[in-house]
Amino acid sequence: GEDVEQSLFLSVREGDSSVINCTYTDSSSTYLYWYKQEPGAGLQLLTYIFSNMDMKQDQRLTVLLNKKDKHLSLRIADTQTGDSAIYFCAGIAPDGNKLVFGAGTILRVKS
Amino acid sequence: ETGVTQSPTHLIKTRGQQVTLRCSSQSGHNTVSWYQQALGQGPQFIFQYYREEENGRGNFPPRFSGLQFPNYSSELNVNALELDDSALYLCASTDWGEGDTQYFGPGTRLTVL
Repeated sequence: GEDVEQSLFLSVREGDSSVINCTYTDSSSTYLYWYKQEPGAGLQLLTYIFSNMDMKQDQRLTVLLNKKDKHLSLRIADTQTGDSAIYFCAGIAPDGNKLVFGAGTILRVKS
Repeated sequence: ETGVTQSPTHLIKTRGQQVTLRCSSQSGHNTVSWYQQALGQGPQFIFQYYREEENGRGNFPPRFSGLQFPNYSSELNVNALELDDSALYLCASTDWGEGDTQYFGPGTRLTVL
């Protein structure tokens, strides 16, 4: 089945760019997603990318997909203190019904 | 963006009891999924309901069961609660027309003592 791995922690200074990385095992995911979770809250969808795309940009967010290496990244430009949260990447299982999440990356933004 | 609501927000139960968690999906979304998120981990898929029928199940025992109703509401029932069932329970409704995207509710924090 699908397995998704992420680095556990990232610390950046306010105004810098943040890059959160993710690797996955199952290349049959149609879509790959990035979610944000603030303390005590549910998951907020940030963006998603179709598996036949290499890049998607959405305001401050840039998603890069390297299908050969099964590597997904999320770049946040001009990182703000409000971006401090846990970020999860997720793939959709081939049968289309379940999301498989990584363990999450804690992003800490220092002012 | 998300019209998914869940109740209650928090719940405390004792081992062996039964619990029902509720979710109201976004109008028009006929698919709801439930996830369990233990502390410090990513969400784990419990099961999915499509048009009131179970449409896939994760690695959870039968004491985890669900229902989906025609009015876009759903329930997660857990019998014979165990200490390890303490977690944040999330429901999500799917927009099949937009990246097959699952939109999550705020979750129910269940504590089993």
